[in-house]
Amino acid sequence: GDSVTQTEGLVTLTEGLPVMLNCTYQSTYSPFLFWYVQHLNEAPKLLLKSFTDNKRPEHQGFHATLHKSSSSFHLQKSSAQLSDSALYYCALSVGGNEKITFGAGTKLTIKP
Amino acid sequence: EAAVTQSPRNKVTVTGGNVTLSCRQTNSHNYMYWYRQDTGHGLRLIHYSYGAGNLQIGDVPDGYKATRTTQEDFFLLLELASPSQTSLYFCASSEDRSNTEVFFGKGTRLTVV
Repeated sequence: GDSVTQTEGLVTLTEGLPVMLNCTYQSTYSPFLFWYVQHLNEAPKLLLKSFTDNKRPEHQGFHATLHKSSSSFHLQKSSAQLSDSALYYCALSVGGNEKITFGAGTKLTIKP
Repeated sequence: EAAVTQSPRNKVTVTGGNVTLSCRQTNSHNYMYWYRQDTGHGLRLIHYSYGAGNLQIGDVPDGYKATRTTQEDFFLLLELASPSQTSLYFCASSEDRSNTEVFFGKGTRLTVV
């Protein structure tokens, strides 16, 4: 079946440093990849998603590149902000969005 | 923006008790989902549905039933609650097309004592 792996459970960084959260996936088909962000005591919400035309999605300074050769969709940002502290989920869907599979999540903490 | 409303927001029940979690979405989405969120496991899919009367089994369905009574309403039922079902439950909805956003409710925190 489909699966998503986020290797880091906890990531702590100093403000201003670059962010990279890892996401790899396994799927029989060519999936769509997503990043969701969940701030404390809030619901998860979409941060960005992969495009079918290989464009690089960007939002709020974050970007991610889908590499089909390595089955990866890592999330990056050049300079972390305190407000980036949150729980980040990588997810995938296949076909008509019937079933969306989430990774275990990475808790990102940004310190001053 | 899509609205997904869950009730109750918090619930405490005893082991062996009967619990129903409710979810309503107001954007005419066909797909609705129930997830549970646990530290170290992330969001795990319990059940989902693509329309009234339809029910699909997710990845962690044991101990849960679900019913989709209308396009708007999706219920999660725990008929014999156990402490292992203590969790934060999220309902979500989406359109039935590829690469589309899933909209989540604010969650129901369930504690089984």
